[in-house]
Amino acid sequence: GQQLNQSPQSMFIQEGEDVSMNCTSSSIFNTWLWYKQEPGEGPVLLIALYKAGELTSNGRLTAQFGITRKDSFLNISASIPSDVGIYFCALTGNQFYFGTGTSLTVIP
Amino acid sequence: GAGVSQTPSNKVTEKGKYVELRCDPISGHTALYWYRQSLGQGPEFLIYFQGTGAADDSGLPNDRFFAVRPEGSVSTLKIQRTERGDSAVYLCASSLTLISGSRFFGPGTRLTVL
Repeated sequence: GQQLNQSPQSMFIQEGEDVSMNCTSSSIFNTWLWYKQEPGEGPVLLIALYKAGELTSNGRLTAQFGITRKDSFLNISASIPSDVGIYFCALTGNQFYFGTGTSLTVIP
Repeated sequence: GAGVSQTPSNKVTEKGKYVELRCDPISGHTALYWYRQSLGQGPEFLIYFQGTGAADDSGLPNDRFFAVRPEGSVSTLKIQRTERGDSAVYLCASSLTLISGSRFFGPGTRLTVL
């Protein structure tokens, strides 16, 4: 099946710091999505990327769709405690593959 | 409601029993997806529906798992002869169309098989 690797696997940061995580795939896809999942909840869509090279922001979040269409990164600026959760990248084909997740802990 | 809803939120059952998990998608969404998520893992695809038909059920682990969507809206995931390894959070998602990139997820049903 599709391989989607995320790194880092987990992050522990101080409130106010910037965060960067990335995702790479073994194949080319046309749409990259970033989701956040909090305990006991389903994943919530943060950002959708539809075009190679596209850079999209949503508040303090910025994501880019790599030129090769095989990678993407998500940045969070000035982290706050409510940013805590697991961040998943996802590729959309019929089956919608999820990455392995990056667990983020923000220390106040 | 405005989002995807799933019931029950938690289900505890004994090995060998039959369970049904329900998903109410966002109104008007034609595509519906079921995923299974184990602790510390990303969601794993099980099956998706376009309308009433199962367009791809290749993610169902074995024939104990079955899902229906008889009227193209609500879907039920059915698990027969449950095993301890079936314990996981079962997530449902819907999207406006099959090719729409944005899937909207429900809160999940946590299934525990004792």
